[in-house]
Amino acid sequence: EAGVAQSPRYKIIEKRQSVAFWCNPISGHATLYWYQQILGQGPKLLIQFQNNGVVDDSQLPKDRFSAERLKGVDSTLKIQPAKLEDSAVYLCASSWTYNEQFFGPGTRLTVL
Amino acid sequence: GENVEQHPSTLSVQEGDSAVIKCTYSDSASNYFPWYKQELGKGPQLIIDIRSNVGEKKDQRIAVTLNKTAKHFSLHITETQPEDSAVYFCAARNYGQNFVFGPGTRLSVLP
Repeated sequence: EAGVAQSPRYKIIEKRQSVAFWCNPISGHATLYWYQQILGQGPKLLIQFQNNGVVDDSQLPKDRFSAERLKGVDSTLKIQPAKLEDSAVYLCASSWTYNEQFFGPGTRLTVL
Repeated sequence: GENVEQHPSTLSVQEGDSAVIKCTYSDSASNYFPWYKQELGKGPQLIIDIRSNVGEKKDQRIAVTLNKTAKHFSLHITETQPEDSAVYFCAARNYGQNFVFGPGTRLSVLP
């Protein structure tokens, strides 16, 4: 079974630029999560999708972050414009059951 | 909301010794407690979990214990091996809520 795929794996941008991350969940997983993991910290949920609908985006900085999950499969997370404090690893996870999540390898973003 | 604390932040043990990582949570309604292992450059991987109706769960060299009264749970790794070296995260979840992760413990197993 293929795992959660994410791309790119690394991205370096300058502040005020835009960036987008892509996630392809495990086939059949209806729930998709985006997490932000700052160095030395645990993952923090940004947004949760159930199929193509948003379940929870309470911690998503909506003035600069946006996410979509068209057709209930792939998802894209965008940051526009980026700030220095957005430097982090962005993790995508998917799940079939309510509890067990499977994480992708993450995208490491560096904002200069 | 839920808050999860984790100790220690770093832990070094000799190969073959045991390692224990402890977490406390604040929301008494939390009912699911997973542990994740994250290796360098990879996403977290679920290694064991426990639900609130169980006090202990074991899977080969790893075990998790839960004390609901004290609101804490612990990860126990016995006979540690170099490949156990990684960052370990605990998390807590209440039904209908999202996961809240601890800050992580960096475990180093010294040969």
